[in-house]
Amino acid sequence: AQRVTQPEKLLSVFKGAPVELKCNYSYSGSPELFWYVQYSRQRLQLLLRHISRESIKGFTADLNKGETSFHLKKPFAQEEDSAMYYCALGGSNYKLTFGKGTLLTVNP
Amino acid sequence: KAGVTQTPRYLIKTRGQQVTLSCSPISGHRSVSWYQQTPGQGLQFLFEYFSETQRNKGNFPGRFSGRQFSNSRSEMNVSTLELGDSALYLCASNLHDRNTEAFFGQGTRLTVV
Repeated sequence: AQRVTQPEKLLSVFKGAPVELKCNYSYSGSPELFWYVQYSRQRLQLLLRHISRESIKGFTADLNKGETSFHLKKPFAQEEDSAMYYCALGGSNYKLTFGKGTLLTVNP
Repeated sequence: KAGVTQTPRYLIKTRGQQVTLSCSPISGHRSVSWYQQTPGQGLQFLFEYFSETQRNKGNFPGRFSGRQFSNSRSEMNVSTLELGDSALYLCASNLHDRNTEAFFGQGTRLTVV
């Protein structure tokens, strides 16, 4: 079975502070992990995926197969980062399994 | 390039009625998936279509059905609506036949009264 856990429903940080959004997954095969973001009044959009190993808007995420984690990190949070973040797992069965999401608020 | 388009954006239906939601994927995308989003359950997978074939279905009752047309447009239907079907229904399209980057529509907000 595929399962994604985001332990924090809410996360609040100050501008310029580091931020880490946690994601743990459960999957028996070779996973594809993604982070999706939903800004206020906008559609859900892909932020980054583990296979590309790129940094988007200063965010990075490393797949740790030993700890089955895919935490999202940014060294210096900006106010425009305030949004809902979803971790998602794609397997070989043509579906994405999403975590419940973490609402990030970056305070000025 | 136009994004994923879902129609209608909002719907209000009465219990017992049925509803059809429509999704037009990005041009060239052949995979279309549907998700139900609620505050309590989050995003839950409904089904996925590729070249008019349903390849996977989530854990939803048979009242939820869908189909895909030859032009990759997709529809989902919910019959005998229940109050608990009130949700945001999201459609996503994918260029490849695997779950790589899924592009989401803005959703259809269904309210059952």
